[in-house]
Amino acid sequence: GENVEQHPSTLSVQEGDSAVIKCTYSDSASNYFPWYKQELGKRPQLIIDIRSNVGEKKDQRIAVTLNKTAKHFSLHITETQPEDSAVYFCAPKFLRNTNAGKSTFGDGTTLTVKP
Amino acid sequence: DAGVIQSPRHEVTEMGQEVTLRCKPISGHDYLFWYRQTMMRGLELLIYFNNNVPIDDSGMPEDRFSAKMPNASFSTLKIQPSEPRDSAVYFCASSLYGGDEQFFGPGTRLTVL
Repeated sequence: GENVEQHPSTLSVQEGDSAVIKCTYSDSASNYFPWYKQELGKRPQLIIDIRSNVGEKKDQRIAVTLNKTAKHFSLHITETQPEDSAVYFCAPKFLRNTNAGKSTFGDGTTLTVKP
Repeated sequence: DAGVIQSPRHEVTEMGQEVTLRCKPISGHDYLFWYRQTMMRGLELLIYFNNNVPIDDSGMPEDRFSAKMPNASFSTLKIQPSEPRDSAVYFCASSLYGGDEQFFGPGTRLTVL
């Protein structure tokens, strides 16, 4: 099965700084690369995703970059705010036409943004 | 749409009792996933369904766990008998077509004493 590793496991930044979280995966067939955010006591929610035919995607202060050759993708958050404090999960998977495929979630990165 | 609905939100039971968790996916979604989240093991996929058919149950921990999806709008996860190590938050999620974005329910916090 897919081996997924996230680094770092915890990250603390000052408000306004940038944060970068990296996800490394093992299955070269993976073609869908999402990031989920889970606030304390809440459900995980998708914040951004990318497919393998694209190298980078941005949505306001967040971006995801993909390096398929090296089998890793990263979440970038700029101008961090206290409300960005949460646990972030990557969940790469192989999407097929006939089967959604299995999601393997990383262990999560706890981001703390200090005001 | 109300989103994915799970019940109960909290369940406290004693070891050996049967526990049934329920999930109603978003209308029109044809994939349904059951996850378990603990501090030690993180977010684990237990089983997922496509068009009510179980596709992969390799994450189900043991025979005490079973899941069903009798129709497109309802699924259950049953634990019988329950054990203290089953204490966790159980999430149900659903997705559309190719299963990219998953929409999670609020979760059921299970405590087995």
